[in-house]
Amino acid sequence: AQKITQTQPGMFVQEKEAVTLDCTYDTSDPSYGLFWYKQPSSGEMIFLIYQGSYDQQNATEGRYSLNFQKARKSANLVISASQLGDSAMYFCAMREADRGSTLGRLYFGRGTQLTVWP
Amino acid sequence: DAGVTQSPTHLIKTRGQQVTLRCSPISGHKSVSWYQQVLGQGPQFIFQYYEKEERGRGNFPDRFSARQFPNYSSELNVNALLLGDSALYLCASSSVDRGLHTEAFFGQGTRLTVV
Repeated sequence: AQKITQTQPGMFVQEKEAVTLDCTYDTSDPSYGLFWYKQPSSGEMIFLIYQGSYDQQNATEGRYSLNFQKARKSANLVISASQLGDSAMYFCAMREADRGSTLGRLYFGRGTQLTVWP
Repeated sequence: DAGVTQSPTHLIKTRGQQVTLRCSPISGHKSVSWYQQVLGQGPQFIFQYYEKEERGRGNFPDRFSARQFPNYSSELNVNALLLGDSALYLCASSSVDRGLHTEAFFGQGTRLTVV
């Protein structure tokens, strides 16, 4: 089974509007972390935001917020006031506390290509 | 401070050849991970090294190997290259001080094309 599912291959949003990128995850580990990364065409993965499984509040980082619904196992990224520079691939990822270790690998989804138009 | 640096940035190899990719982590980071990203997919975990020891291995054949040096830089080796090995290879470094929240910092990757 896929650890991370991103069902939107592509999304389009007009500049200054908000957009939500979907992510669902699958784990039986009670302790895990969820990440969102942005990948421009240059290839580098840029960290955006993190949500821990025990965090009570949704994470926010500037224009990025994470809509964390633990019971539904979803961790959607909300980008407010979209900018042209937000056009990129966006990846949702998860790290599990593998056998108590926090050095666990990141599991990535297939990504969502976001296009912001003027 | 310099970020994660990878070399070379682009590489073209012939089937059956061997390739070595290099990664220098952020200063002070002792953990290095390697990921393979095939076109149109998300990165797939290959290896993780911490303090020069292998701490994790993904579902890749034995043709893939890696090592970490005393200065925490790392090399990824791929033998007997196949066309399917064509991908962007990403290196990520991290400090393990923040537990699960430990952010992985990625380099710009090495784009390998096997012909």
